[in-house]
Amino acid sequence: AQSVTQLGSHVSVSEGALVLLRCNYSSSVPPYLFWYVQYPNQGLQLLLKYTTGATLVKGINGFEAEFKKSETSFHLTKPSAHMSDAAEYFCAVSLSTDSWGKLQFGAGTQVVVTP
Amino acid sequence: DVKVTQSSRYLVKRTGEKVFLECVQDMDHENMFWYRQDPGLGLRLIYFSYDVKMKEKGDIPEGYSVSREKKERFSLILESASTNQTSMYLCASTTRWADTQYFGPGTRLTVL
Repeated sequence: AQSVTQLGSHVSVSEGALVLLRCNYSSSVPPYLFWYVQYPNQGLQLLLKYTTGATLVKGINGFEAEFKKSETSFHLTKPSAHMSDAAEYFCAVSLSTDSWGKLQFGAGTQVVVTP
Repeated sequence: DVKVTQSSRYLVKRTGEKVFLECVQDMDHENMFWYRQDPGLGLRLIYFSYDVKMKEKGDIPEGYSVSREKKERFSLILESASTNQTSMYLCASTTRWADTQYFGPGTRLTVL
C-alpha cells in the first residue's frame, strides 16, 4: 500500500522567489514518484517523475525534485517563481511492482504567485 | 503526442438520472483509469481497466460502474446520479508497466 501527504493546501509566493512544495510518501516497496500540475479548467500534466537512478530529477518549466529515501520525501522546487506557475500541484506515488501503474495522489497544493 | 479526450467538459444532470461519461485515448494504451477530484481530497481512483472487458475497483467504486468494449474507449456510468456525485471527473491512460499516466481535460459534473 502507498500514501502521499502534501504539506500546505495553499502556498503564496512572490514573483521571483523560491517555490518549495513539500511531499512525503509511504510505500511498502520501492516507489515511483510524480509531480503533476493542473492549470485552471484543465487536466493534469506531468511535471517530472522519479523511477530509478539519479535522485535529483529535472522537469519542465524549470522545476526539479529530489528523492530522499531516508526522509521518504519528494519535495518540488523552482528557484524563481513566474506568474504562469500559478496552478494546483499534485504529488503522486505508485508501486514499482504494480504493472497497472495505479497512482495514489496527495490532496494538492494551490500555488498563488503575487507580483 | 498522447491524446486523451473526454466527451463533455461540463455536464448538468438531475438526481436519479443515468449518466455516461466517455473517455477515448489514441495511443493504444492497455490501462485506463477514472478518477474523481474534489477540493482538499486530491484525485481518488474510482475504477480502472487493464484490457477490453476487464475492470478492477479502485478506492471509491460505490455508485459507479464502468464499461470497456473497445481498447480505446472507457466509459464511466452513474446508474442513478446523486448530489454527492457532483465533482470533477478525470480519465487517464497508460501502457502496461509504464510509469506515466496521461490525463484528459476533465468533465465537471453537477447533479441537481
